[in-house]
Order: sequence, then structure tokens, then C-alpha cells
Amino acid sequence: DQQVKQNSPSLSVQEGRISILNCDYTNSMFDYFLWYKKYPAEGPTFLISISSIKDKNEDGRFTVFLNKSAKHLSLHIVPSQPGDSAVYFCAASVRDDKIIFGKGTRLHILP
Amino acid sequence: GAGVSQSPSNKVTEKGKDVELRCDPISGHTALYWYRQSLGQGLEFLIYFQGNSAPDKSGLPSDRFSAERTGGSVSTLTIQRTQQEDSAVYLCASTSWGHIQYFGAGTRLSVL
Repeated sequence: DQQVKQNSPSLSVQEGRISILNCDYTNSMFDYFLWYKKYPAEGPTFLISISSIKDKNEDGRFTVFLNKSAKHLSLHIVPSQPGDSAVYFCAASVRDDKIIFGKGTRLHILP
Repeated sequence: GAGVSQSPSNKVTEKGKDVELRCDPISGHTALYWYRQSLGQGLEFLIYFQGNSAPDKSGLPSDRFSAERTGGSVSTLTIQRTQQEDSAVYLCASTSWGHIQYFGAGTRLSVL
């Protein structure tokens, strides 16, 4: 049973536009959510996170939105840049228990 | 300080052989995770060590897989009698108290 779902395997966005990556989860006990970015031949790197007590967290060009009633979160990147082309993983955890990852979305930023 | 280190970076083995993959976590990190990423797939959780607690082995796909963490630091993931479906990138991550994991670059395992 997949508790964290990223239903779009890939997404293409024009440079300078907004990229929106979506993630759905099934476990209402999740209280912390994270986004990771992965380049080929490298391990994932932490990007941004949000606690379940918030509905928005912003860090520069990156904003994560959490909709607990819909069990949905999204990552907005604006403006999108060529270096943003990567695979983005959504992840969630309950307190300090293990972190569950989605399957990832490959983002292509088009020139 | 140094990040999470994994060795070897690449491993090619023959079907049926045993392999050992090593992870050196960030010094002082109490938790260590192993994940597997098969071609075109996401991060599949394998095993989780947290301090002195019994490891969470719920993600290990079969009894051919095992892992240990010695002295609360270095971890070894062992795959016995490797099969072609074991071919994947094996990623290790560590974290201190909190949720942000720091990943190694992974070991790419190819079973011929």
C-alpha cells in the first residue's frame, strides 16, 4: 500500500514559469512532510519541509503548501530555472518514525 | 564535516554471489536508513536503524537481505545469492534527531 503518492512521473515546464509538483498521502498520522531533489548519479538532497501545524512554508523560489483535509501537498518553484531539472521526491513521516518516500516526479525545465 | 559515504560506488557481480555494501554515516547521527531505487522506480525503504533500538526491517524484500550497524556507526547491507532483480542503486541516509536525511551517492549494483 503506497502511503505517499506522486501521480505524475514527469513534468515539463518552460524556463521562467512556475513548476507545480503534487503529492498525495493516505496516512492522516503523518505530521511532517519533506521534498527532496535528486540529480543523476547523486543521492537525494533535502529541499524544503513543512510541519502539519502549518499550511505553507517558503524558502526563496520554493514554497510548499499543505492541505491536510485533502491529504495533499504541493511544491511550487518560481521562477523555474534550468538547474531545477531533476527528480523530486515527496516524503512524509510520523513523529520520529521512518520516512516514507513517493516514487518521484521528473521535472524538465525547457529553454 | 564529511557527508554520508558509501562504498563501493559501483558493483558488478554474477548471479548467485553474495555482496556487501557499506555505509559510513555522518558522525553523531543516530539514525541510518537503507533504500533501493530500481530503474524507473522511486525510493524503496529497506531497513532503518535508530540508536540502540531494534532495527525496523519491514522493507527487506526477502531473507536474502540483511543489514547490521556496528557500534552505532558504520552499516553493512548484505545480499546473499544475488538475483538479477536485485540490480538497483542502493542508497544510505543518516539523520540526527529530526527528519532531514542526508544521503550518500549510492552503490550501483549490477547482477549479471
